Amino acid sequence: DTGVSQDPRHKITKRGQNVTFRCDPISEHNRLYWYRQTLGQGPEFLTYFQNEAQLEKSRLLSDRFSAERPKGSFSTLEIQRTEQGDSAMYLCASSLVVRGLDEQFFGPGTRLTVL
Amino acid sequence: AQKITQTQPGMFVQEKEAVTLDCTYDTSDQSYGLFWYKQPSSGEMIFLIYQGSYDEQNATEGRYSLNFQKARKSANLVISASQLGDSAMYFCAMREGENTGFQKLVFGTGTRLLVSP
Repeated sequence: DTGVSQDPRHKITKRGQNVTFRCDPISEHNRLYWYRQTLGQGPEFLTYFQNEAQLEKSRLLSDRFSAERPKGSFSTLEIQRTEQGDSAMYLCASSLVVRGLDEQFFGPGTRLTVL
Repeated sequence: AQKITQTQPGMFVQEKEAVTLDCTYDTSDQSYGLFWYKQPSSGEMIFLIYQGSYDEQNATEGRYSLNFQKARKSANLVISASQLGDSAMYFCAMREGENTGFQKLVFGTGTRLLVSP
């Protein structure tokens, strides 16, 4: 399978714990995005990488959230001191501009439940 | 600020019939792109179709077509010959600006489509 993969698919944690999610983009894609989707809503942008550089962060990304993309390949999203409001689906997408179109391919997501 | 509005929380259609899912958008930018994604119950977002703001013709991809009315700021998705496998959430999304620069996607709240036999 050469699509975007995310691990784990599901995570249940207690409030106050730290969690880390991983995203493996499509191999030749240099752009990587993180989105958060809460129940009944569309995805909301969190952050964006071009290669290893984090170029944009949403105000939704509080200081408890940190994302990295070492070596411009896979990316991790860490949430420290989780809160119940962090419960959501975390989606990763990657893209490569082809013929002028930046089509984002999404992974299956990591569903986080904070108890 | 960019905004996407999907006013239909749910739509029902019979198999083999056509269905239109509504999407209106708001932007002050002259250059933007409009996308439709499908999200089955498994959770992944599947790209369906794209329309650039300068494209003169409506986009088509197989059974999907995008009815783009720029003056009305609408970008409705038309699914022809519905299939049972089309049952899913459908999201309209917009990106402002040129393709080559960074641009996040802004999504609507989605429409749940149910196709009945």
